[in-house]
Amino acid sequence: DTEVTQTPKHLVMGMTNKKSLKCEQHMGHRAMYWYKQKAKKPPELMFVYSYEKLSINESVPSRFSPECPNSSLLNLHLHALQPEDSALYLCASSQGQVLDNEQFFGPGTRLTVL
Amino acid sequence: AQRVTQPEKLLSVFKGAPVELKCNYSYSGSPELFWYVQYSRQRLQLLLRHISRESIKGFTADLNKGETSFHLKKPFAQEEDSAMYYCALSTSSGNTPLVFGKGTRLSVIA
Repeated sequence: DTEVTQTPKHLVMGMTNKKSLKCEQHMGHRAMYWYKQKAKKPPELMFVYSYEKLSINESVPSRFSPECPNSSLLNLHLHALQPEDSALYLCASSQGQVLDNEQFFGPGTRLTVL
Repeated sequence: AQRVTQPEKLLSVFKGAPVELKCNYSYSGSPELFWYVQYSRQRLQLLLRHISRESIKGFTADLNKGETSFHLKKPFAQEEDSAMYYCALSTSSGNTPLVFGKGTRLSVIA
């Protein structure tokens, strides 16, 4: 399996809801990433997990809470989001090896916050 | 801090014409450079990386450390090349995030 999968594909939520985005890869990659992509903009990094430990948090608001239950799974828990959080949320993974940082991207979850 | 600059937001060329998408970077160390492509309604996918020195779908890119550039070139554009192209940089430490340029939308006109 050489793909990164993400569920759900689309998500609509209210500002008081709690929801989770899921990401899975079975390529044996040890680094996993969450990016946020607004329309017609490049992806912006949110979090990096390396060997299941959070290694980078790009000053993301606490209403976004990442979790890496094991080396194949990455979750993003959402709570009390704002309409401006509406975006495409991309998960990516990479080997995590020096000089091999090719990242494989999932199709994304398109999130709409009402 | 690392930075990637793609000066063109939109590039329109005729089918069969040569294409060059510009990318310049700033980073004091040894970078890894990538070109990612995003076709309409498809996921972001790797097109090229400088260390592999391959030609993919007719595209090539050479890292020029003197000019800190990694321009993407294709001698004859095809309609199916129309997409959003992102140049991206990573440090060589293995689990660092990609720093993306703002992207260039390539439109190939029949």
